[in-house]
Amino acid sequence: AQTVTQSQPEMSVQEAETVTLSCTYDTSESDYYLFWYKQPPSRQMILVIRQEAYKQQNATENRFSVNFQKAAKSFSLKISDSQLGDAAMYFCAYEAEYGNKLVFGAGTILRVKS
Amino acid sequence: DTGVSQNPRHKITKRGQNVTFRCDPISEHNRLYWYRQTLGQGPEFLTYFQNEAQLEKSRLLSDRFSAERPKGSFSTLEIQRTEQGDSAMYLCASSFPPTGTTTYNEQFFGPGTRLTVL
Repeated sequence: AQTVTQSQPEMSVQEAETVTLSCTYDTSESDYYLFWYKQPPSRQMILVIRQEAYKQQNATENRFSVNFQKAAKSFSLKISDSQLGDAAMYFCAYEAEYGNKLVFGAGTILRVKS
Repeated sequence: DTGVSQNPRHKITKRGQNVTFRCDPISEHNRLYWYRQTLGQGPEFLTYFQNEAQLEKSRLLSDRFSAERPKGSFSTLEIQRTEQGDSAMYLCASSFPPTGTTTYNEQFFGPGTRLTVL
């Protein structure tokens, strides 16, 4: 069975600084997808960024980028120029190709200090 | 609002009572998922539907849990004889199924129903 591990229960970053959230996963599949979801307090979860395992190039979405290391089964999220609105719980998630469910990590709470 | 909606947003019940939650997916989406999220943890998959067919159920979905999607539109999740361990956030999500060009599901989540069992 696939597993996703987020080893940082909580992280803090100063506004305008950069922070990296870590994620590792375990799978025997060769084709799959990895996601970072953001869950603000009392609000619904939204997709931040997606990475296809067959792509070597790391995904980027504005201030959000990933460092995908397939051999190491590592998938970290970098947030540049952190903003107060980035404060939330961040979940790393895995889905097999043609899969039908997401497997989530336990999450990392990100606090942004002004 | 064209997003995923869930009702009620909060439910407080006494142990042993039955509860039912509703999820209305994005109208064009034919896949619908239920997840459970306990405090401080990530969501865990419970079940999913493609149209009205329930195609997979997690072992987390005990006999006290039942989910339906009778016309392939909204879905209900019922918990019978609730227990304190059922206290959690129940999340619903919807998506298109993978196609020939897109082999993943981008799941859109609702706000959740928070269940408290006293």
